[in-house]
Amino acid sequence: GDSVTQMEGPVTLSEEAFLTINCTYTATGYPSLFWYVQYPGEGLQLLLKATKADDKGSNKGFEATYRKETTSFHLEKGSVQVSDSAVYFCALMAQNTGNQFYFGTGTSLTVIP
Amino acid sequence: NAGVTQTPKFRVLKTGQSMTLLCAQDMNHEYMYWYRQDPGMGLRLIHYSVGEGTTAKGEVPDGYNVSRLKKQNFLLGLESAAPSQTSVYFCASSRDWGETQYFGPGTRLLVL
Repeated sequence: GDSVTQMEGPVTLSEEAFLTINCTYTATGYPSLFWYVQYPGEGLQLLLKATKADDKGSNKGFEATYRKETTSFHLEKGSVQVSDSAVYFCALMAQNTGNQFYFGTGTSLTVIP
Repeated sequence: NAGVTQTPKFRVLKTGQSMTLLCAQDMNHEYMYWYRQDPGMGLRLIHYSVGEGTTAKGEVPDGYNVSRLKKQNFLLGLESAAPSQTSVYFCASSRDWGETQYFGPGTRLLVL
């Protein structure tokens, strides 16, 4: 079935370090891919999305490119800030199951000054 | 604009007790969802609703019931709580199926 696998956490980085959080997916057809972020004490918020192969989603300095050949949607940011500390969820929306969402397990990021 | 709110934020139950989790949204969304999140697992869909008065089963519906009597509210009920229902519960809403979902802050439930 459709699923999303993202890298285990927690991840701890120093401020201004480069961030990569890996996400790979399994799906039939052509899913849409998403990154959600959950800040402490808040609900999940959409961070960025991509709806077709080679699309790049970007927001708040974060980027992710939909790679069909490697079935990946890795999240990157060139210089993280303390305010980026949060839990990040990769997700896909599968067309073959009526656009149902499937979420990864979440990756906790802590950025230290 | 409150978005999606959930009540309560945290609750402890004994096995066999019942409770209702309340989700409210002020965005006039048609679709609402209940998910649970467990350690090492992604969010899993429990039930969802495609409009006032409708409900449907998701991936893990057993042990839960839901109701959508008003468009803005989506209730999740546990009739007889079990330790396996210890989890964090998230409510979400969207304008249409497949569109961006907006999430509440979550309810942490511990069943002893």
